[in-house]
Amino acid sequence: KQEVTQIPAALSVPEGENLVLNCSFTDSAIYNLQWFRQDPGKGLTSLLLIQSSQREQTSGRLNASLDKSSGRSTLYIAASQPGDSATYLCAVKGSSNTGKLIFGQGTTLQVKP
Amino acid sequence: DGGITQSPKYLFRKEGQNVTLSCEQNLNHDAMYWYRQDPGQGLRLIYYSQIVNDFQKGDIAEGYSVSREKKESFPLTVTSAQKNPTAFYLCASSIEFDRTNEKLFFGSGTQLSVL
Repeated sequence: KQEVTQIPAALSVPEGENLVLNCSFTDSAIYNLQWFRQDPGKGLTSLLLIQSSQREQTSGRLNASLDKSSGRSTLYIAASQPGDSATYLCAVKGSSNTGKLIFGQGTTLQVKP
Repeated sequence: DGGITQSPKYLFRKEGQNVTLSCEQNLNHDAMYWYRQDPGQGLRLIYYSQIVNDFQKGDIAEGYSVSREKKESFPLTVTSAQKNPTAFYLCASSIEFDRTNEKLFFGSGTQLSVL
């Protein structure tokens, strides 16, 4: 059974710092991995999707990497801003679990001005 | 604007009462999903629908029911059999259910609480 874990559960950094959020999964047989952002009391917004054949994806100040063999993904946020404060969730789509996403519990990020 | 609309934003349930959460999308997506989110936890799949007039149980379907009579609508009923219904409920959609590499689009959620 696929399990997705995100550590740490919460993170606080000063504005301008570069930071890395971690996501690990137990079954390497995945189609893709997605990173989402969730603001308090809101729905999720997809940030980046990495296909199983890819190593990384970039969008603006965000870079997501994927290492299937080790069951890990990282979300790198460059030059963090207070507006980046939110909960970040990763989710994997397993090749043996078609159509379903398995979510991690999220990392809540606070960027202090 | 295309998107997913969930209503109401806040909902209160009395003991023994059934309540229905609304989800409407105008993205022309075939697949729709209901997730439950508890504080500090990831999302868990309740039900999903691949196409109109079809729906399947997810990982935590007990105490919930759905219907998919129209492509754009996928309402979720929380029945009295669901003993711990307090949670944040999220509706999502995608172009197709089993398309390998596509993104999910989410509504803004409904917070359900028990009186």
